[in-house]
Amino acid sequence: QSALTQPASVSGSPGQSITISCTGTSSDIGSYEFVSWYQQHPGKAPKLMIYDVSNRPSGLSNRFSGSKSGNTAFLSISGLQAEDEADYFCSSYRMSNTLVFGGGTKVTVL
Amino acid sequence: QVQLVQSGAEVKKPGASVKVSCKASGYTFTNNYIHWVRQAPGQGLEWMGAINPSGGSTNYAQKFQGRVTMTRDTSTSTVYMDLSSLRSDDAAVYYCARDLGWLLKVYAFDLWGQGTMVTVSS
Repeated sequence: QSALTQPASVSGSPGQSITISCTGTSSDIGSYEFVSWYQQHPGKAPKLMIYDVSNRPSGLSNRFSGSKSGNTAFLSISGLQAEDEADYFCSSYRMSNTLVFGGGTKVTVL
Repeated sequence: QVQLVQSGAEVKKPGASVKVSCKASGYTFTNNYIHWVRQAPGQGLEWMGAINPSGGSTNYAQKFQGRVTMTRDTSTSTVYMDLSSLRSDDAAVYYCARDLGWLLKVYAFDLWGQGTMVTVSS
């Protein structure tokens, strides 16, 4: 069982917007801004999409955005495209120099 | 070319140890922490710990304390992860990943190795 809770799957049609949630506790997401999101295609290494809750790495599409409210972080994808179909993982710093991940969400483009 | 290149796949027996290497190139090796993350087949990501390539200090996830050792060789810009007393549930793809932070940890990984599959079987 993962430390952070994500929905197992989310789907949407091309062009639509979707949001993935990532729920933690006051010991991680609720207390720190070190929340990141990763995209992983089958057989590939993860790719950083969002860091520090809402920052995008240089060159990344602005269709991806992140936010946080209380103990829950969110990743939103707008203008859904076929290439966005992948697994998405959230992570958060947790007190005492630890990092925890969510169990992952499979995004399906219908 | 900025990259992390890991060593090849390993097959180990239960109780044995495995040592995976991660060679950095294209950037200043000592500027960024390196973390290790593993992923069991069909499962999520699991953080194992981190090493400061500059001074060699480490911090490990509690789950792996006593079984994992992370070291570095600055002469070759290589980080190593040694996991001992292997069990069947240690079978996974092991990744090294560079911390985005400059000289400090921000726990965001902007560069990943290609992964090393470790199989544990008698």
